[in-house]
Amino acid sequence: SAVISQKPSRDICQRGTSLTIQCQVDSQVTMMFWYRQQPGQSLTLIATANQGSEATYESGFVIDKFPISRPNLTFSTLTVSNMSPEDSSIYLCSVQWGPDTQYFGPGTRLTVL
Amino acid sequence: GDSVTQMEGPVTLSEEAFLTINCTYTATGYPSLFWYVQYPGEGLQLLLKATKADDKGSNKGFEATYRKETTSFHLEKGSVQVSDSAVYFCALTSGSRLTFGEGTQLTVNP
Repeated sequence: SAVISQKPSRDICQRGTSLTIQCQVDSQVTMMFWYRQQPGQSLTLIATANQGSEATYESGFVIDKFPISRPNLTFSTLTVSNMSPEDSSIYLCSVQWGPDTQYFGPGTRLTVL
Repeated sequence: GDSVTQMEGPVTLSEEAFLTINCTYTATGYPSLFWYVQYPGEGLQLLLKATKADDKGSNKGFEATYRKETTSFHLEKGSVQVSDSAVYFCALTSGSRLTFGEGTQLTVNP
């Protein structure tokens, strides 16, 4: 399995600011994913990030709000831009491991005031 | 499209009780099925998986059997512990897309 770390683990931010979340994996992987988990809810896929190509965003998520970088096979970042209290969530990255399994990072707990 | 339905929660049990969390799915093709667990304040951990009909996934005393005829993947444990208190998510993959159920909050009291 893959070992995944995220930074920061939590943050409290003011509305209108931006936060960049980092995701690091201990092995090279082709596909990485970013999810949002709103309080008490299940996970919603934000986008899929493949190295060397633009991220693919799900319906309801746009690049201007959630820009993603994928500079190499072990690292990705998600930025939450121009934040509002509605962006308060847990943000999780995951990696594709084998044909059908995803492993998740520990998450970043974001509170926007 | 694909979907996963979990039993309504939350579930509260006493230590050593038997646990069942129901999960049914709708999918085209032949999905792989998963249970993930999220302990308080943590990310998701893969608990177990099954990749084809009649496969049984097991880990840490938890089991689930891939039932194609009933499109189900119910999670069971014979004797729960306080440390099993967490949110449990049933999920399936079709290709690389992972579809989650709503999650079931389990609380185990001593």
